[in-house]
Amino acid sequence: EDQVTQSPEALRLQEGESSSLNCSYTVSGLRGLFWYRQDPGKGPEFLFTLYSAGEEKEKERLKATLTKKESFLHITAPKPEDSATYLCAYSSASKIIFGSGTRLSIRP
Amino acid sequence: ETGVTQSPTHLIKTRGQQVTLRCSSQSGHNTVSWYQQALGQGPQFIFQYYREEENGRGNFPPRFSGLQFPNYSSELNVNALELDDSALYLCASSPDPNTEAFFGQGTRLTVV
Repeated sequence: EDQVTQSPEALRLQEGESSSLNCSYTVSGLRGLFWYRQDPGKGPEFLFTLYSAGEEKEKERLKATLTKKESFLHITAPKPEDSATYLCAYSSASKIIFGSGTRLSIRP
Repeated sequence: ETGVTQSPTHLIKTRGQQVTLRCSSQSGHNTVSWYQQALGQGPQFIFQYYREEENGRGNFPPRFSGLQFPNYSSELNVNALELDDSALYLCASSPDPNTEAFFGQGTRLTVV
């Protein structure tokens, strides 16, 4: 069964403390792996798309990487405004599956 | 701002009723997807429309149906509402299937 698992469920960091979020997936026919950020009460905001193993994308303090079985979202020297829920999702031929997210909290 | 708007923002319906939720996609985006998100969970894929045809469907019963129109608007219809249908409903538009999607702010549906 196609599945996306994100870990950890929640992560509390001190401002400036770098870390990584994990997204592991089992899927046949992966078309794309997506990362989104969601703030409370709002729709998800697009961050990155990755299409093939070995691909990397960067934006400000965030970097997303992809292997054949998992993706990582690395956050370097985070700031309090980076606090949010980070969601990963994959797209296959006929469906899009989201993980349950990692709730990231950055303390000043 | 993503350019994707949903209406209404909040809605209260009674069990057994029917509801229609609306979405206006970004101009030029041929694909729209609908999701149900329960509190503390990731969005659950309901279905996707590409060029006005259903292009994929998640594990939702047939009482969840949709339409996509040529003017980049779309609808999600839910018949025979159940209490468990209470959730945030999100639509997302994208240029094509399997590309990045841009979400609206959602419609909060409460079924009582």
